[in-house]
Amino acid sequence: AQKITQTQPGMFVQEKEAVTLDCTYDTSDPSYGLFWYKQPSSGEMIFLIYQGSYDQQNATEGRYSLNFQKARKSANLVISASQLGDSAMYFCAMREIIKTGANSKLTFGKGITLSVRP
Amino acid sequence: GAGVSQSPSNKVTEKGKDVELRCDPISGHTALYWYRQSLGQGLEFLIYFQGNSAPDKSGLPSDRFSAERTGGSVSTLTIQRTQQEDSAVYLCASSSGASYNEQFFGPGTRLTVL
Repeated sequence: AQKITQTQPGMFVQEKEAVTLDCTYDTSDPSYGLFWYKQPSSGEMIFLIYQGSYDQQNATEGRYSLNFQKARKSANLVISASQLGDSAMYFCAMREIIKTGANSKLTFGKGITLSVRP
Repeated sequence: GAGVSQSPSNKVTEKGKDVELRCDPISGHTALYWYRQSLGQGLEFLIYFQGNSAPDKSGLPSDRFSAERTGGSVSTLTIQRTQQEDSAVYLCASSSGASYNEQFFGPGTRLTVL
């Protein structure tokens, strides 16, 4: 069974500074994908970044980067140059990658609340 | 193009009543998922449809919960004899193609059982 752990309490960061949101995972699957989603107070789930377990390089998407450490089973999200609009809940999630190409469910962590201070 | 839509956006019902929640996925997306998010919690997987394959119902919490997907498009999640612990936001997502594709989420239906 897959498990995602997000244990940080509410996080605070000063505007324009960088922040790291922690995520550790556990799985016996050899192939998997790791995702980060943002959920602002409006409730929508916004996809941020994806990392495949066999990807050689850490994923980056604009101000978002994923610090993937496979041996430690961690997939921390780094947000650079924080903006006030980054204040939201952030969820780490995992999916088993099935070679047949079929999709499979996402397993989510409990989330981390990030507040950006002006 | 249009994203995933869900209706209603809010539903208040009395304990013991049945409710139906609707999801319209992105056109052409073969996979459709239902999740549940209780207050302050992460998302809990409920059920997954992929094309014409039998759905993965492994996340449904009880036999009061069921879902259908008609014509490979619209899906309806039905909760019978609702209980107060069913109160949550029910999110639908769809995706397509290879397994690593992101899931596109709808805005959710907030269900309140009095």
